[in-house]
Amino acid sequence: DIQMTQSPSFLSASVGDRVTINCKASQNINKYLNWYQQKLGEAPKLLIYNTNNLQTGIPSRFSGSGSGTDYTLTISSLQPEDVATYFCLQHSSRYTFGAGTKLELK
Amino acid sequence: QVRLKESGPRLVQPSQTLSVTCTVSGFSVTSYHVSWVRQPPGKGLEWVGAIWKGGSTDYNSALKSRLSISRDTSKNQVFLKMNSLQTDDTGTYYCAKHPYFDYWGQGVMVTVSS
Repeated sequence: DIQMTQSPSFLSASVGDRVTINCKASQNINKYLNWYQQKLGEAPKLLIYNTNNLQTGIPSRFSGSGSGTDYTLTISSLQPEDVATYFCLQHSSRYTFGAGTKLELK
Repeated sequence: QVRLKESGPRLVQPSQTLSVTCTVSGFSVTSYHVSWVRQPPGKGLEWVGAIWKGGSTDYNSALKSRLSISRDTSKNQVFLKMNSLQTDDTGTYYCAKHPYFDYWGQGVMVTVSS
């Protein structure tokens, strides 16, 4: 099974900051990587699919990049409503989530 | 409008069987795959298994021996059954639409306890 290592586990940043979250796969996942946002008490919400495709309705401050085993979610200018936990998901071979990154405001 | 809604018991005794139903609207389970995902309290997400649009299934290898996923196409429902429950099966169980898990239900919180 493919393992996903997500970092950091916790992130504190200020409004307007550029924020990056990383996921590393245990093998090449050929860009089959999605990103989700989960706010407290809610279901996850798809932000980006297949590495760099922005889901409809998601603000353009969210972007994704990567290839092979290494992938990144970037928030270009952090907003208060972005406080949440973020998860990556590989769907190259079955499905494996990263452990999550809890993002808080400094 | 795409919607998924999970329903099932909130409390299950250890060693018993969990049965959860996902009722979907806005799409057909014969046109899109549906997965189950669970989340222990305060922890991360774990893919449980899926039923493909053609009706075949795939399961998390760590849970496979205890799992069954099925569907009723006439009611547009997907079912999860997991037997031999233990306390570490406690968590929120979600169903999610493929591709990309683009739509999720609100989840059902299941506690395994005597």
